Amino acid sequence: SQQGEEDPQALSIQEGENATMNCSYKTSINNLQWYRQNSGRGLVHLILIRSNEREKHSGRLRVTLDTSKKSSSLLITASRAADTASYFCATDVGGGADGLTFGKGTHLIIQP
Amino acid sequence: DAGVIQSPRHEVTEMGQEVTLRCKPISGHNSLFWYRQTMMRGLELLIYFNNNVPIDDSGMPEDRFSAKMPNASFSTLKIQPSEPRDSAVYFCASRSQGRGTEAFFGQGTRLTVV
Repeated sequence: SQQGEEDPQALSIQEGENATMNCSYKTSINNLQWYRQNSGRGLVHLILIRSNEREKHSGRLRVTLDTSKKSSSLLITASRAADTASYFCATDVGGGADGLTFGKGTHLIIQP
Repeated sequence: DAGVIQSPRHEVTEMGQEVTLRCKPISGHNSLFWYRQTMMRGLELLIYFNNNVPIDDSGMPEDRFSAKMPNASFSTLKIQPSEPRDSAVYFCASRSQGRGTEAFFGQGTRLTVV
């Protein structure tokens, strides 16, 4: 069953703008991860935030986690055409010993 | 390391035929996952293994689907008999427990059942 749900399903912005995607989940988690998928390719890990963390940065990526609301957001700053992809959140209950469950993703299009 | 390797990359088969998808996880990883991706249902976790042992196969849609992991470097997902609704992209992923929980995905097998 789906654990995470991304919002919006699709997002189109101009190059240089910031893109924000949200993820809501249902049960308690050990950590939450974001992945990117380019068309026709496998998923690639972007960033992981643990349940005791509230915010994490990696380059142009900023992830927040609100465990009280069971939600997370991914912000991509100064977007580039190469950021065009689908973005998925994945919830991790067991921290390595259990399966990762994914949402349906947000399809991000960066207009040049 | 070459990453997670899946074969074949593409498979076209007729309804009723047996299909076997293969996966070689990253060396040293002790968790392996099989996912199915479709437009309608997104990315579904079918089954996962820890140390070659199936832990949760509740995502396997029907008895027509079976998965094995005979050793730490090889896994198969078999569909017998295949049906058109099985058409999807099947991904294998692996990760290491205890040293971080990032999953590494293969490039997927695009299955078309006609």
